[in-house]
Amino acid sequence: DAGVTQSPTHLIKTRGQHVTLRCSPISGHKSVSWYQQVLGQGPQFIFQYYEKEERGRGNFPDRFSARQFPNYSSELNVNALLLGDSALYLCASSFGRVSEQYFGPGTRLTVT
Amino acid sequence: QKEVEQNSGPLSVPEGAIASLNCTYSDRVSQSFFWYRQYSGKSPELIMSIYSNGDKEDGRFTAQLNKASQYVSLLIRDSQPSDSATYLCAVESEEYGNKLVFGAGTILRVKS
Repeated sequence: DAGVTQSPTHLIKTRGQHVTLRCSPISGHKSVSWYQQVLGQGPQFIFQYYEKEERGRGNFPDRFSARQFPNYSSELNVNALLLGDSALYLCASSFGRVSEQYFGPGTRLTVT
Repeated sequence: QKEVEQNSGPLSVPEGAIASLNCTYSDRVSQSFFWYRQYSGKSPELIMSIYSNGDKEDGRFTAQLNKASQYVSLLIRDSQPSDSATYLCAVESEEYGNKLVFGAGTILRVKS
């Protein structure tokens, strides 16, 4: 069975630009969560979507937004990129809103 | 006080020994507890989940939960060099809005 997939794998952007990251959950999973991980730290929660509705938002600025599509795939958008947005962005899927989460390979974003 | 705390390590153990990884959390109503393994440059991989007090065993891994002490641990028996990774403790509760809150992780090094 295919796991969680994310695209792109790596991305280099310039300060002030916009970026869109994509995630496809495990087949049958209805919940997608986004996390940001910087070096030396654990993943930090950004958003959770379940059944296409936002069910949770972490302590991130409004430059961060996300959505979930009818096929349960999801996009994370970040506007006005800052150097501090450089990180590994992880998508995790789960069957329900409260259940085990499985991570995709991540997107490594570098902002220069 | 951080919500989820782990000793950053590195924890060094010889091959074949038992590695003991510990995690404490601050939210008394936390409900679900997870251990993830993360190899350098890779995404977290779910290895254990535990929901009730006591021990849960899966192969060489044993998770232990003590809600009264707000403590969860992971034991790895017969440690192998391939177990060398960062181990992330994650806690989920309604208090956190059902998101996963991660510790910073413990680096484990198994020496052959």
